[in-house]
Amino acid sequence: DQQVKQNSPSLSVQEGRISILNCDYTNSMFDYFLWYKKYPAEGPTFLISISSIKDKNEDGRFTVFLNKSAKHLSLHIVPSQPGDSAVYFCAASAAASYGKLTFGQGTILTVHP
Amino acid sequence: ETGVTQTPRHLVMGMTNKKSLKCEQHLGHNAMYWYKQSAKKPLELMFVYNFKEQTENNSVPSRFSPECPNSSHLFLHLHTLQPEDSALYLCASSQVGEGDQPQHFGDGTRLSIL
Repeated sequence: DQQVKQNSPSLSVQEGRISILNCDYTNSMFDYFLWYKKYPAEGPTFLISISSIKDKNEDGRFTVFLNKSAKHLSLHIVPSQPGDSAVYFCAASAAASYGKLTFGQGTILTVHP
Repeated sequence: ETGVTQTPRHLVMGMTNKKSLKCEQHLGHNAMYWYKQSAKKPLELMFVYNFKEQTENNSVPSRFSPECPNSSHLFLHLHTLQPEDSALYLCASSQVGEGDQPQHFGDGTRLSIL
């Protein structure tokens, strides 16, 4: 049973517009959520995270929103740039899990010039 | 030195070979992880080491044998692998016990079993 799901395998956006990537989770014990970006032939790179005590965290062009009641988080990228084209993974962990992360399947984002 | 370094980047081996994957972290972290990424599947956690002690083994077959000699180095010893073990193997490290901290990943070893 997959506890973290990214239901959109791919997303295509025009440069300058907003990209919204979505993630749903089922485990109510999760209290720390992260987004990673992955380019081909490279490992995942940490982008932004959010603790369950918050509902929004912002870092430059990237904002993560958490809706605990819906068990849903989203990553907003504004404005989107061609260099943002990559696979985006959401991940979640629970307290006292020694940092163990559960990942979604990933969403391929393509930003067109 | 970059944060998490994995060697080799690519490995092709036969099913009867023995090889080892190496991971080194230069971030001063106290936890290290092995993940497997197969095509069209999420990253699967294989092993977790905290303070050099293995705290997690996600039902990984015994043909995969991890070793953590110190907090900076992690190995994955491979023996008698199967074709379905062909995948990208990723190492990560993090600092646990100091609040929420992200894991930092290496670039992985692309393993192909003939």
